[in-house]
Amino acid sequence: SQKIEQNSEALNIQEGKTATLTCNYTNYSPAYLQWYRQDPGRGPVFLLLIRENEKEKRKERLKVTFDTTLKQSLFHITASQPADSATYLCALPPGSGGYQKVTFGTGTKLQVIP
Amino acid sequence: DGGITQSPKYLFRKEGQNVTLSCEQNLNHDAMYWYRQDPGQGLRLIYYSQIVNDFQKGDIAEGYSVSREKKESFPLTVTSAQKNPTAFYLCASAQGEGNSNTGELFFGEGSRLTVL
Repeated sequence: SQKIEQNSEALNIQEGKTATLTCNYTNYSPAYLQWYRQDPGRGPVFLLLIRENEKEKRKERLKVTFDTTLKQSLFHITASQPADSATYLCALPPGSGGYQKVTFGTGTKLQVIP
Repeated sequence: DGGITQSPKYLFRKEGQNVTLSCEQNLNHDAMYWYRQDPGQGLRLIYYSQIVNDFQKGDIAEGYSVSREKKESFPLTVTSAQKNPTAFYLCASAQGEGNSNTGELFFGEGSRLTVL
């Protein structure tokens, strides 16, 4: 099965800087990779999906890259704001592809300091 | 507004008791899921259902049971056989597969179960 590694240590950055979060995976390369945001005591909220044939995807202040050679995805938040403070999860599908049974990483907690 | 509703938000249970967590969606999604989240761990899949009257075990199904009698509803029962039931439980739904969709999971707000 797929193993997903996200930095378990919290990431603290100054407001206005760019936050970069990492998602590494082992074994097979997935057909796509998703990123979610989770606030304390709430359910995760979908942010972005990037497919294996896409190098980069953007949505407002968010940018996701996908390097199948390094088996890594980077999640960037530019011009970070205190409201961006949350835990960010990456998720990958099973080896057979499809949209069912995605596996989640443990998440990285981001704290944006005013 | 469309979405997923989980209830109750908080639940306390004595050891040896079964408890059922409710999950209802009005998004007309075919697939529904139950995840468990413990501190410092990722979401772990308990059960999932891709269609009415059918469901499959996830990675940690032991001690849990589900039913899918209606498209909108996917209740989870935590039985007394579950050794460590105290956790945060999340229900999610998704559209069926297709080239145009993102495979996005829509989550409810979660149910926090505490066994006393």
